[in-house]
Amino acid sequence: DTGVSQDPRHKITKRGQNVTFRCDPISEHNRLYWYRQTLGQGPEFLTYFQNEAQLEKSRLLSDRFSAERPKGSFSTLEIQRTEQGDSAMYLCASSFRTGRVEPKMNEQFFGPGTRLTVL
Amino acid sequence: GENVEQHPSTLSVQEGDSAVIKCTYSDSASNYFPWYKQELGKRPQLIIDIRSNVGEKKDQRIAVTLNKTAKHFSLHITETQPEDSAVYFCAASIPREDRLAFGKGNQVVVIP
Repeated sequence: DTGVSQDPRHKITKRGQNVTFRCDPISEHNRLYWYRQTLGQGPEFLTYFQNEAQLEKSRLLSDRFSAERPKGSFSTLEIQRTEQGDSAMYLCASSFRTGRVEPKMNEQFFGPGTRLTVL
Repeated sequence: GENVEQHPSTLSVQEGDSAVIKCTYSDSASNYFPWYKQELGKRPQLIIDIRSNVGEKKDQRIAVTLNKTAKHFSLHITETQPEDSAVYFCAASIPREDRLAFGKGNQVVVIP
């Protein structure tokens, strides 16, 4: 399977615990995005990477959230001291950003998501 | 920041009829507008997209129209089939942040 993969698919944790999710993008993609999705809502942007550089982070994102993409391939999203309000589907997406003079945004391919439940 | 809104929130259509979903955006600098389909329990998948230098794009039963002046774009599905039942999300690019902003989604129900 050459699509975007995420691990784990489901995570149940107790309030206050730390959790870490992994995303493996499509191999030739240089862009990697993290989103959060709750019931009845669209994907809410969290952060994104261009290769290994984290270029943008949502202003609404708590300091308890951190993401890395150490070698420009897979990425991890960590949530520290989880709260019940963190319960959601965490989606990863990747794309190939083209062009230097006139950069163009292209299709984002989504992974299956990690469903987090905080008890 | 960019505000993306979709109307109506839920749309029911008879099989074979057409469905139209409208999306409005606030940032006049937005230049890329994709539509994603998400079936229950599955990942969002791109069904069609349009760039700001084009007014309309069609792919079989799916079409998207863009009105830059009014800052809205619409998804048109013709000859609807039961497998078109899903949630459809529109998105608009935020050029200064180089990312997408998504709408809340439209639930489309095709009644056999």
